[in-house]
Amino acid sequence: DSGVTQTPKHLITATGQRVTLRCSPRSGDLSVYWYQQSLDQGLQFLIQYYNGEERAKGNILERFSAQQFPDLHSELNLSSLELGDSALYFCASSGKTGTYNEQFFGPGTRLTVL
Amino acid sequence: AQSVAQPEDQVNVAEGNPLTVKCTYSVSGNPYLFWYVQYPNRGLQFLLKYITGDNLVKGSYGFEAEFNKSQTSFHLKKPSALVSDSALYFCAVRDRGGDKIIFGKGTRLHILP
Repeated sequence: DSGVTQTPKHLITATGQRVTLRCSPRSGDLSVYWYQQSLDQGLQFLIQYYNGEERAKGNILERFSAQQFPDLHSELNLSSLELGDSALYFCASSGKTGTYNEQFFGPGTRLTVL
Repeated sequence: AQSVAQPEDQVNVAEGNPLTVKCTYSVSGNPYLFWYVQYPNRGLQFLLKYITGDNLVKGSYGFEAEFNKSQTSFHLKKPSALVSDSALYFCAVRDRGGDKIIFGKGTRLHILP
């Protein structure tokens, strides 16, 4: 158990809908990262937050947004969903940013868009 | 720009034989390098990392990796493979002082009994 929790574990929804994925980092970790894993694209970095502020941005679509709250949990919002958004979404956390700290991954949320 | 290449989609090794999973990287400065493993329906788990110093890094489950600066490589190795090592392996790189960590596309390791 990495100490990172993600809810829900599975999510099935329809095209055009909006969903929210939630992540709680390990106790004491200030950085939260979001990744999308699909069969054809591999593991894609979406966005990073550090202590409530956006720190780095990857291949995140404009339909997607994220935030980190004062209690350090994070939410990833996906809107106007398309079939191609079906994937595993992982959250990871780590300690101080810009260092050699490894990331600890949650179990993921499997999103299926029908 | 940072990049990581894992040239093999899949590696097959007989149980008991040594295994190598290849990784090459490109960063502007000195890198931090990582290996992660993903078992089916699980998140990624950290295996080992290179920060500085000894080029041979030892990690979890008997894995080790060799940092080669001239070849910009960080290959994952294990002297004797186990069937339970079968999984998806990811190499990752972070530029020192930077925030973004870039993952390779992954290499699926099959250990044959």
